[in-house]
Formats: sequence, C-alpha cells, structure tokens
Amino acid sequence: GAGVSQSPRYKVAKRGQDVALRCDPISGHVSLFWYQQALGQGPEFLTYFQNEAQLDKSGLPSDRFFAERPEGSVSTLKIQRTQQEDSAVYLCASSLLPGNGNQPQHFGDGTRLSIL
Amino acid sequence: AQSVSQHNHHVILSEAASLELGCNYSYGGTVNLFWYVQYPGQHLQLLLKYFSGDPLVKGIKGFEAEFIKSKFSFNLRKPSVQWSDTAEYFCAVNSPGGSQGNLIFGKGTKLSVKP
Repeated sequence: GAGVSQSPRYKVAKRGQDVALRCDPISGHVSLFWYQQALGQGPEFLTYFQNEAQLDKSGLPSDRFFAERPEGSVSTLKIQRTQQEDSAVYLCASSLLPGNGNQPQHFGDGTRLSIL
Repeated sequence: AQSVSQHNHHVILSEAASLELGCNYSYGGTVNLFWYVQYPGQHLQLLLKYFSGDPLVKGIKGFEAEFIKSKFSFNLRKPSVQWSDTAEYFCAVNSPGGSQGNLIFGKGTKLSVKP
C-alpha cells in the first residue's frame, strides 16, 4: 500500500496477557517511530529505528515494552504482562531518510489497545 | 526538555468564522515546527511545517502558521473555516538536521465547526 499500515486496528486483552502490534512502514523508508497516545493526550515518543537498528528506546515506559525491526522493514511492538495503564492508541510513523529531523513523518491509523 | 503547549482543548466555531489555535513550545535551541491534523477516523496528516526562512508558512487547505521566535509560538490560522475542517489539531516540534527527529506533541485541540 501507499501508506503506513498497522494491525490490528483494535486489540482487547485481559490484564496480564502479552500483545503484539505490527507496523508496515512505507516501502523504502529508513526511519521508523513508535508513539503512544493516551486518551485526551498527544502522541508520546516510545522508540526509534534506523533500518533494523533500534537507536533510541528512551520513551519505552517499562521493561515490559519491547520493539523490533529485524529486517529493516516491518516492526513489531510487544507488550508483556499488560496493565490497564497500557490502554492507549499505539501509532507507528515512518520517514524516508535516516536520522533527520527535517523529514516529515507519515503516520499509520494506529492500534487501539484496551486492557480489561 | 522540550515541551509543547496548546492553549485550547476544544474550540467550537460556525462556518466562515476565523480560526486561530495557539501553540507555544519550550526549547532553548533551534527547532522544527509542525501542525498535524487528524480527521475523524483517519490517521495524522501533516498540515504544514516550518524549518527555516519565512516565518509565515502556508499549508494545505488554506491553513497558515506564523513562527514568532521571541514568543516561542507557532499559532495556526485560517481566515474562514468550513464544516470539513472539523478535526483534532496537534502542534509538534523536533530538533532539526542530524537528530533522529522524534516529535514532541502538544495535547491537541479539537475543532468543531457548526454548519
């Protein structure tokens, strides 16, 4: 497709379960970002990949959050032992060039995660 | 640390009214500034951006924003809104050039335009 694709669109899980959220960036885009958007808030940075290298994971809220991009394209955000405070929309964005703040980021539709 | 403040949580206007959404940022260095829009049920889309040069930036759909460095502001304006402008608007900043570019967002302003 032409844009950033995320799946699933909606995910409901029970507290304590593990979840995996997928992001398909725009083909050829080197940079990939994950953001977390809580209800009524703006998106907050979680982690950044340049190709397959995770160069910044400073925004991950705990060690229960793990992200990977093993082949430099598709990325997965995994949350282990989910808690209610993990309920949010998780956004993925990609941009063409590596490590360049001047590049616009293209966002996916997000995955709305609800933890019961 | 960088932060972004958007003054209005929810703005309600009638069609043809003028719009100004406030955005202030906190950062001591050079910044890139962005406005993103999220229409109902859609993904975030870039409305306009400022990197350098003319502080008055024109974006899509008749929107513009003015960067006032002395006020650390980047307010969004539109002279005459339409019902189709109903959306949530986010102001964002990042560091330019060689930084990785992750965005710092404000909390967003929800705009409702009454027909």
